[in-house]
Amino acid sequence: QSALTQPASVSGSPGQSITISCTGTSSDVGGYNYVSWYQQHPGKAPKLMIYDVSHRPSGVSTRFSGSKSGNTASLTISGLQAEDEADYYCSSYRSSNTWVFGGGTKLTVL
Amino acid sequence: EVQVVESGGGLVQPGGSLRLSCAASGFTVSGTYMSWVRQAPGKGLQWVSVLYSAGDTYYPDSVKGRFTISRDNSKNTLYLQMNSLRVEDTAVYYCAKGRVGDYWGQGTLVTVSS
Repeated sequence: QSALTQPASVSGSPGQSITISCTGTSSDVGGYNYVSWYQQHPGKAPKLMIYDVSHRPSGVSTRFSGSKSGNTASLTISGLQAEDEADYYCSSYRSSNTWVFGGGTKLTVL
Repeated sequence: EVQVVESGGGLVQPGGSLRLSCAASGFTVSGTYMSWVRQAPGKGLQWVSVLYSAGDTYYPDSVKGRFTISRDNSKNTLYLQMNSLRVEDTAVYYCAKGRVGDYWGQGTLVTVSS
């Protein structure tokens, strides 16, 4: 069961915007609107940032947004801040009641 | 306040067994999806199992037949029984609340080594 494909790393300067992609297939990302994004700081538990493609949980900054086109979902962070430096993971429902994560993307704020 | 706290990790030999617990507060485990997710040292997240509110359980092929997810409603606690453990099962195991994983515990470390 292969993972979703994410870039290993992305970087940006404070104030800039960055986008992290998450590519799957029609059996997961493309077939369902059940894509979530998680932020994980070193040594900490993952934190939900986006669910169901584009919904933000209460308390998550409006600088974080999600979208999907075909088999690729995207997380965009605008107005980059130093505290955004972390690992980011996407996940998706996959057919037959299974779930799959992406390999993770390390975001560096320059 | 919603909280989940994992426990039960430790060092176990290959082929051994371990049972993890996830004590929940602020919500009822029987009323929502509950999942286990693991993270091997320096690696990414991997889905391990899910227990739906109706009682259905599902696993990826990598743990199917070896791991069992269950819950005790009276204790509001989720469990993961892990049998026939392998070196590659070494990871921090997290429990997560809900279909979207809106709350996670801090994890419990399982080390499988001889």
